[in-house]
Amino acid sequence: QQQVKQSPQSLIVQKGGISIINCAYENTAFDYFPWYQQFPGKGPALLIAIRPDVSEKKEGRFTISFNKSAKQFSLHIMDSQPGDSATYFCAASDSGAGSYQLTFGKGTKLSVIP
Amino acid sequence: NAGVMQNPRHLVRRRGQEARLRCSPMKGHSHVYWYRQLPEEGLKFMVYLQKENIIDESGMPKERFSAEFPKEGPSILRIQQVVRGDSAAYFCASSPAGSSEKLFFGSGTQLSVL
Repeated sequence: QQQVKQSPQSLIVQKGGISIINCAYENTAFDYFPWYQQFPGKGPALLIAIRPDVSEKKEGRFTISFNKSAKQFSLHIMDSQPGDSATYFCAASDSGAGSYQLTFGKGTKLSVIP
Repeated sequence: NAGVMQNPRHLVRRRGQEARLRCSPMKGHSHVYWYRQLPEEGLKFMVYLQKENIIDESGMPKERFSAEFPKEGPSILRIQQVVRGDSAAYFCASSPAGSSEKLFFGSGTQLSVL
């Protein structure tokens, strides 16, 4: 059972455009929602994260929008740059579970073309 | 301050052999997590360890797989009698305390089973 569904699988955006990646979750116990960025040959790196007590969080060009009732959250990358080309993973965890394991989406491969 | 160090970066094994993957956490981190990434898939949680203790191994196959994090030295993920389906990238993450919020990932070990 896939608990975090991510879309699209791949995304091509022109330089300067907005990249939008969506995730939906099923487990209502999830209370922490990070986004990770992964470059080829590297491990994932935390990009930005949100908790369900806020509906939006912005850090520079990156914004998470969170809709608790719909059990959905999304990543917006404003003014996308070629250096943003990477694979992006959404994830979720239940901090009350004690194991701190993250459940990841399948990833979105973003290509930003000049 | 060196990041999470994993070695080897690439490991090739023939079916039936043993694979040993090593992970040295960041300095000051005493919590280690192992994840597996199959092609075109997100990361899947395998096991969470503290020094000398396995806290959660719910994501690890019951047979052939084992993990340890001794008092001294790196954490080891051991796969006995490898099969082709074990081919994947194995990532280790560490944190200073039990948390899903302060995870730092290594660059991974790519295991190829011939």
